[in-house]
Amino acid sequence: DGGITQSPKYLFRKEGQNVTLSCEQNLNHDAMYWYRQDPGQGLRLIYYSQIVNDFQKGDIAEGYSVSREKKESFPLTVTSAQKNPTAFYLCASSHSTGELFFGEGSRLTVL
Amino acid sequence: SQQGEEDPQALSIQEGENATMNCSYKTSINNLQWYRQNSGRGLVHLILIRSNEREKHSGRLRVTLDTSKKSSSLLITASRAADTASYFCATDADDYKLSFGAGTTVTVRA
Repeated sequence: DGGITQSPKYLFRKEGQNVTLSCEQNLNHDAMYWYRQDPGQGLRLIYYSQIVNDFQKGDIAEGYSVSREKKESFPLTVTSAQKNPTAFYLCASSHSTGELFFGEGSRLTVL
Repeated sequence: SQQGEEDPQALSIQEGENATMNCSYKTSINNLQWYRQNSGRGLVHLILIRSNEREKHSGRLRVTLDTSKKSSSLLITASRAADTASYFCATDADDYKLSFGAGTTVTVRA
């Protein structure tokens, strides 16, 4: 079945470590996105990519990095520069109509 | 930046009742979308309404859009326990970028 796969579902990080969240889609969508969700809040855009080898910062890009080497993949690295990384991270992709298709999310906890 | 704001923040209803939630936004939009999120899961797209549309239906869902008031409403009719979730509106302030509100948490009591 087509869809978006995020891994891992749960991730624990020690202070000072970088961690990478995986996002893979087989929907043949050009655009992909990373959102952060904190408890009781809406989604905030971290990075987005409209085409391969190109990406733009969203509203809260500081402390995060991404790459888009393949159409299917858009990994997110949470660096040690992100001071409050504990959150629920959601990856999404979209086609031309703008409807977003989301993965099941990755929950990152800093120990 | 958060463009959409949902109201109320939380809603508790009896099974079979209707649930109505509202979304207000600040700037002109091309379209407005509604999403559902079950606890701990990803969001699921429910419905998209374009700026030149006033009302749209999908099954038990009815969405209205009033661009003069910069507001939208989502009505869920004949609610079921499975409708228990958070509901978010999202607006496309810029191309390829959706802005989400904080959501309305709906609890349907059996």
